Amino acid sequence: DAGITQSPRYKITETGRQVTLMCHQTWSHSYMFWYRQDLGHGLRLIYYSAAADITDKGEVPDGYVVSRSKTENFPLTLESATRSQTSVYFCASSEGTQISEAFFGQGTRLTVV
Amino acid sequence: AQKITQTQPGMFVQEKEAVTLDCTYDTSDPSYGLFWYKQPSSGEMIFLIYQGSYDQQNATEGRYSLNFQKARKSANLVISASQLGDSAMYFCAMREFSGSARQLTFGSGTQLTVLP
Repeated sequence: DAGITQSPRYKITETGRQVTLMCHQTWSHSYMFWYRQDLGHGLRLIYYSAAADITDKGEVPDGYVVSRSKTENFPLTLESATRSQTSVYFCASSEGTQISEAFFGQGTRLTVV
Repeated sequence: AQKITQTQPGMFVQEKEAVTLDCTYDTSDPSYGLFWYKQPSSGEMIFLIYQGSYDQQNATEGRYSLNFQKARKSANLVISASQLGDSAMYFCAMREFSGSARQLTFGSGTQLTVLP
């Protein structure tokens, strides 16, 4: 199916564990993004990527790692999960034009206990 | 400093009435775009409408229109003839066009409840 998909949809992990959230898009969009959504903060950018092998930090990158070896995939890794990383994570993709909207995945609800 | 400010955490509107959701923004970039997204209780993010900083007319998409006042740096979303299905969280977002970055910066959102 065309679109952008995230996996898993729900994840519970323990403090200190490494966890990877997956994101896959089928449009061949050049840009991909990871946001986290917390009550009162809207969506905040964690990392983004302009193309394969090109990534850059967003507003809240600490504790996260990304990679983009293929255009269609943009995994987000929490190297050592903390309770403050409990959140809903959204992956998004966008064409390279300035006016193009971002298309979002369904979100991953991550709980760190 | 907040780049996108949505001052209404929650709003109520009667079914079939119009409602305005406020959004103000802050940028020194002369070129930028403003976006509105809807997030229903199911959680997905749905794109609604776009306004470019140099667009001469206010954007409209069906029952959605954007009241763009550039000098005031406001980009309010107007929903006409509200429906029960409009109950959702609404986010205003901005993209600055300088450089090559394409990320959106979001406001904190407004929770809209449509009353029957």
